[in-house]
Amino acid sequence: GENVEQHPSTLSVQEGDSAVIKCTYSDSASNYFPWYKQELGKRPQLIIDIRSNVGEKKDQRIAVTLNKTAKHFSLHITETQPEDSAVYFCAATDRNQFYFGTGTSLTVIP
Amino acid sequence: ETGVTQSPTHLIKTRGQQVTLRCSSQSGHNTVSWYQQALGQGPQFIFQYYREEENGRGNFPPRFSGLQFPNYSSELNVNALELDDSALYLCASSPGLAGLTDTQYFGPGTRLTVL
Repeated sequence: GENVEQHPSTLSVQEGDSAVIKCTYSDSASNYFPWYKQELGKRPQLIIDIRSNVGEKKDQRIAVTLNKTAKHFSLHITETQPEDSAVYFCAATDRNQFYFGTGTSLTVIP
Repeated sequence: ETGVTQSPTHLIKTRGQQVTLRCSSQSGHNTVSWYQQALGQGPQFIFQYYREEENGRGNFPPRFSGLQFPNYSSELNVNALELDDSALYLCASSPGLAGLTDTQYFGPGTRLTVL
């Protein structure tokens, strides 16, 4: 089955700086890559996703890039704000079974 | 917030007991997936149901079973509870057809503690 690795496990940035989280996957058949944000005690919420037919997608301060050849994808958050502090999970799938990374705890320091 | 709801919010059981967790998907969503999220880990896929039929299963033993009903609700049943079953259980619904990759929307989860 698919194996998704996520790095780093923790990340601290100053408010206003950028944050980058990287994930690699093993199954070349995977074609959908969502990113979820999970605040403490709350449900995972979809923040952005990308399909394998595009290399980059942007939504305001958040962007995701995908390199199918290298089998990795990254989440980029610019102009970070304290409310961006949360755990971020990447996932990969070629069907509806999502394989999640182990999460990145992002702390934005005011 | 999504239209996916789960009940109960918290549950405490003892080892060996049985538990039923419930999920109500967004109206019109034919697919529901269940995940187990241990503390500090990413969600692990348990199984998926599409139009009341199991449509895929992760690496979980048969004592984890499920049902999906025509009214967009579903259940996760766990028999013979073990201490390691303590986790947050999440359901996620999606509108698409089985076999197609589709966005999943998560419920708030049920926190199960097994003593």
